Amino acid sequence: NAGVTQTPKFQVLKTGQSMTLQCAQDMNHNSMYWYRQDPGMGLRLIYYSASEGTTDKGEVPNGYNVSRLNKREFSLRLESAAPSQTSVYFCASSENGQVPGELFFGEGSRLTVL
Amino acid sequence: GNSVTQMEGPVTLSEEAFLTINCTYTATGYPSLFWYVQYPGEGLQLLLKATKADDKGSNKGFEATYRKETTSFHLEKGSVQVSDSAVYFCALSRRDFGNEKLTFGTGTRLTIIP
Repeated sequence: NAGVTQTPKFQVLKTGQSMTLQCAQDMNHNSMYWYRQDPGMGLRLIYYSASEGTTDKGEVPNGYNVSRLNKREFSLRLESAAPSQTSVYFCASSENGQVPGELFFGEGSRLTVL
Repeated sequence: GNSVTQMEGPVTLSEEAFLTINCTYTATGYPSLFWYVQYPGEGLQLLLKATKADDKGSNKGFEATYRKETTSFHLEKGSVQVSDSAVYFCALSRRDFGNEKLTFGTGTRLTIIP
C-alpha cells in the first residue's frame, strides 16, 4: 500500500535552474496539496487542487507552478530556483468531506538551492 | 485569519514522564482541531482529532480535549516512551468554499531519553 509517493527524495540545484517535484497517490483521493516545511515556520501551503482539473494558490505560491495531471498525480515546478526555496517539500492528499482535515503525507523531498 | 500557536521546543523528557504540549488557536467559526506527528525521516501522520467543542481525541496513549472557552487543544500523555520521540504539530481545519484547508503550528520537537 504505497499511499503518497514523492520523487525525488533529495535534489541539489543551482540558482536559476528549474525542476519538477512529482507526486502520486493511490487512494483515489480528490484533493491534493503541496506544502513546504521550514525550521521555526511549520508547514505552509504552496498550492492545492481540490479536484482533478482545478488548482488554487495557498499561502506561499510565488515562484512555483503546479499541474494536476490526473486524479492521481500533482506536480510542483520551480521555473527558476532561488536559495529561498531551499526547503523540505511535502505532498499530501485527502478525501474531501469524509474526515475533515485528515491529510495523508508523502515522505518529503529535500531541496537545496545553491 | 486562522492561526495556531504551540509551545516552543525542543522538549526533552525522561522515559515514563508525563507530557504536555500546549496548543492554542485563533479562528472564526468552529474549526476542527488536530495533532499530527512526524517521525524522523517520514512525512506527517494524523495522531488524533476533535471536531467540536469538548470532544476528546485519543490515540496511542495520547489525548487532547477541544476547549472552546480557552481556545486550546493541549496534547498529553501519561507515560512517554523513547519511541514517542518525534515532532508534533497542532493544526486546525476550516472549510472554505467546500475545500478543506489545514493551518499548522510551527511544531514541537520531543526527545525522550531512556
